[in-house]
Amino acid sequence: NAGVTQTPKFQVLKTGQSMTLQCAQDMNHEYMSWYRQDPGMGLRLIHYSVGAGITDQGEVPNGYNVSRSTTEDFPLRLLSAAPSQTSVYFCASSKQGAVQPQHFGDGTRLSIL
Amino acid sequence: GNSVTQMEGPVTLSEEAFLTINCTYTATGYPSLFWYVQYPGEGLQLLLKATKADDKGSNKGFEATYRKETTSFHLEKGSVQVSDSAVYFCALSVNAGSTLGRLYFGRGTQLTVWP
Repeated sequence: NAGVTQTPKFQVLKTGQSMTLQCAQDMNHEYMSWYRQDPGMGLRLIHYSVGAGITDQGEVPNGYNVSRSTTEDFPLRLLSAAPSQTSVYFCASSKQGAVQPQHFGDGTRLSIL
Repeated sequence: GNSVTQMEGPVTLSEEAFLTINCTYTATGYPSLFWYVQYPGEGLQLLLKATKADDKGSNKGFEATYRKETTSFHLEKGSVQVSDSAVYFCALSVNAGSTLGRLYFGRGTQLTVWP
């Protein structure tokens, strides 16, 4: 019973590098989302998807891209990493939308030097 | 707009003390309200929820009542344990229009319980 799986758990990048944070769920959930968590800021929504082929921007989308080619996977791409993107990133999913309880992954801790 | 304001932490209590973490909200529609908990090194887990006015959500001894008249959803527990030490997040979602896919989180309240 894997739930929501995020990889990697930790990553250090240099400014300007690119990388992809992986998120996969095995619960056949339609809704998936990415948040970043910064001290004193709570969780802020980056991007979300209400189903395969459909994505939309959240509160802080700049510098991040997403795609949703399958129901199971929702990768988050950093095109050119900046120190301001140092954060803990969480992926979440639910059956249908934000009004339903979210299942969160364990997070990816990302440091940009 | 939609937003959540919750009590600033950190909160430090002795075991068996009474806990209240305040949460108030503003919403353009008719929100559902949630409390999520984050234990050290883990993702968030749903603690409890309420979907309409006067509903009381409860789980693991925690309770919160959806108060529309005061736009509040305060979290309470009568007797905290060391194992309750975590960060608690109040959140809302509104299932209407452009906010169909969004959860709005408060900033979180760190709770530490000492034996």
